[in-house]
Amino acid sequence: AQSVAQPEDQVNVAEGNPLTVKCTYSVSGNPYLFWYVQYPNRGLQFLLKYITGDNLVKGSYGFEAEFNKSQTSFHLKKPSALVSDSALYFCAVRDPLDTGGFKTIFGAGTRLFVKA
Amino acid sequence: GAVVSQHPSWVICKSGTSVKIECRSLDFQATTMFWYRQFPKQSLMLMATSNEGSKATYEQGVEKDKFLINHASLTLSTLTVTSAHPEDSSFYICSARVALAAYEQYFGPGTRLTVT
Repeated sequence: AQSVAQPEDQVNVAEGNPLTVKCTYSVSGNPYLFWYVQYPNRGLQFLLKYITGDNLVKGSYGFEAEFNKSQTSFHLKKPSALVSDSALYFCAVRDPLDTGGFKTIFGAGTRLFVKA
Repeated sequence: GAVVSQHPSWVICKSGTSVKIECRSLDFQATTMFWYRQFPKQSLMLMATSNEGSKATYEQGVEKDKFLINHASLTLSTLTVTSAHPEDSSFYICSARVALAAYEQYFGPGTRLTVT
């Protein structure tokens, strides 16, 4: 069965500094990987996905993520953090070989605080 | 972009009553809809998957008689929490895909249920 881990409950970064939110996964096949952001009392907003192709994926709001198959990681990055990036970030994985590939499994979430 | 709405955004009900939450895809047809539950500061837990016109598939540990899911059309799914108890208080989020195997998954804004 697929799983996804976000090892950090919280990440603190100063505005203007680069940020990284870590994610590792476990699937039996080639994974579909996603990042979502959630603001308080709101649903999830899609940031980016990796399905196939270039390992570096660019997404919304200046975020990007790098798929590393050997390390089974899909870390979220941004070169320069904004205070408005402060939110809850979820990494998610889908294993297309698992029961038709329809379940998306979410990590526990990482809360990002960007200090002005 | 694709928009998913939920109604109501928040609801308070008394213990023992039933509550219905609606999830609508506003500008696309959603063959598949998902219902998630999110406890404070926790990740999303998949409750069930529903395909239009067929019975929902519930995750292990989710009581199908308590959480009734109906997906009667390609744009509407409902979750009814029957005989609600305080422990059912949570944030319920629906999500939709145009097809079971589609990459993109769109999330509603969530419904906060408080059972008193």
